[in-house]
Amino acid sequence: DQQVKQNSPSLSVQEGRISILNCDYTNSMFDYFLWYKKYPAEGPTFLISISSIKDKNEDGRFTVFLNKSAKHLSLHIVPSQPGDSAVYFCAASDATSGTYKYIFGTGTRLKVLA
Amino acid sequence: DTGVSQNPRHKITKRGQNVTFRCDPISEHNRLYWYRQTLGQGPEFLTYFQNEAQLEKSRLLSDRFSAERPKGSFSTLEIQRTEQGDSAMYLCASSWVLDSPLHFGNGTRLTVT
Repeated sequence: DQQVKQNSPSLSVQEGRISILNCDYTNSMFDYFLWYKKYPAEGPTFLISISSIKDKNEDGRFTVFLNKSAKHLSLHIVPSQPGDSAVYFCAASDATSGTYKYIFGTGTRLKVLA
Repeated sequence: DTGVSQNPRHKITKRGQNVTFRCDPISEHNRLYWYRQTLGQGPEFLTYFQNEAQLEKSRLLSDRFSAERPKGSFSTLEIQRTEQGDSAMYLCASSWVLDSPLHFGNGTRLTVT
């Protein structure tokens, strides 16, 4: 039962263009969402988060959009840089249900072409 | 902020042996998590501590797995009688409060031969 899904295993984008990474979830009780970036042989690094009371959050080149009715979130990276090439994971949690775990998607490998 | 530290970085063991991993969280963080990641998958939740109390365990955590966090500081994850299916990256993460980002260590890569 994959509650958090990233249906695109990979994405290639030209340097300077926008990268859009997508994530869908099935549990309507999820109320906190995060994006992580992972380089090989390193742990995931936190990028940006959003609470369910918002529909957008920005931090520099990174913007996360949340569409609760569609149970969908996306990460926009503008402009994309070669150093952004990594695997990106979305994650979600539901603090109200008494569980503490964050559930991760399977990841999207982003390649930014110079 | 020295970050989350995990040791060892790599562990190769023979099937049937016991292994123990250590995690030192960020010092101000009272919440500590263990996750496991295999190739092509996202991190899978194993267990959660708040201070020294183990509050949640995944059904992935069989009887061969045990985790401790004495005194609410560092944590250890032990796997007894390792199997080849235990080969994975074991990730530790910590956080300050509920609904705050997890900060991950660089993981311990376990290979069971």
